[in-house]
Amino acid sequence: EVQLVESGGGLVRPGGSLRLSCAASGFTFSDYAMSWVRQAPGKGLQWVSAMSGGGGSTYYADSVKGRFTTSRDNSKNTLYLQMNSLRAEDTAVYYCAKYVIPWEDGMDVWGQGTTVTVSS
Amino acid sequence: DIQMTQSPSSLSASVGDRVTITCRASQSISSYLNWYQQKPGKAPKLLIYAASSLQSAVPSRFSGSGSGTDFTLTISSLQPEDFATYYCQESYSTPFTFGPGTKVDIK
Repeated sequence: EVQLVESGGGLVRPGGSLRLSCAASGFTFSDYAMSWVRQAPGKGLQWVSAMSGGGGSTYYADSVKGRFTTSRDNSKNTLYLQMNSLRAEDTAVYYCAKYVIPWEDGMDVWGQGTTVTVSS
Repeated sequence: DIQMTQSPSSLSASVGDRVTITCRASQSISSYLNWYQQKPGKAPKLLIYAASSLQSAVPSRFSGSGSGTDFTLTISSLQPEDFATYYCQESYSTPFTFGPGTKVDIK
C-alpha cells in the first residue's frame, strides 16, 4: 500500500524551530517529486515547497523562502521540512504529498497531516 | 506568481443536481490545471489532472474542461459523498498556487 506518514508537529514559540518528517512506503521514493502543503485553521490549501526525486531541485513559496528548508533522504524514504524563525501565521496542518509523473499532473498520494502551532 | 480565483466561494445544492465550479488563472497556464476534493478533517484527493483527465478511480460524474485562463469542474449528478470543498491548482510554474476553494454543501 502506498502511504505517507507525517510526524514532528507540535507547539513552538514564535522565532522557534521545528523539523517535520514524512515517511514514505509502498513506492520507489526516489522516482517521485514530493511536496509540502499546509492548511491554516479554517483556511484553504497553501503550497509550501517541492523537491525533485533526486533532491537536486527545490522550490519554495515566497512566504517561507529563507526560513524553511526541504530535504529528503532517499535511503530512508523520508522527506523533511526544517522550519526556522517560525511565526504565528505558520500555524497550520502540514501535509506531505507525492507527485505523479510528470509532476504537472498533480499530487496523487497525501499523508494524514501533522499540526504545527506557533504561539507564545 | 500566478494567482488563482474560484467562483462561487460556496454553493448549496441538492442530491442529483448538476454543479459547476469555475477557476481562473491570472495568466495563461495552458492545461496545467488540477482539481482536488477535500472533506473536513481529511487530506485532499486528486480528482482531475491536466484540466480534463479523470484520475484513476474517480467517478465519471466528475469532469473538467478549459485551457488558457478559464477552467471548469462539473459534477453531473451530485451525490451525498460529494459534499466537500473543491480546490483548483495550477502546475504551470512554481509556486503551484491553489485557488481559494469552493465549498459545496447540502441545500
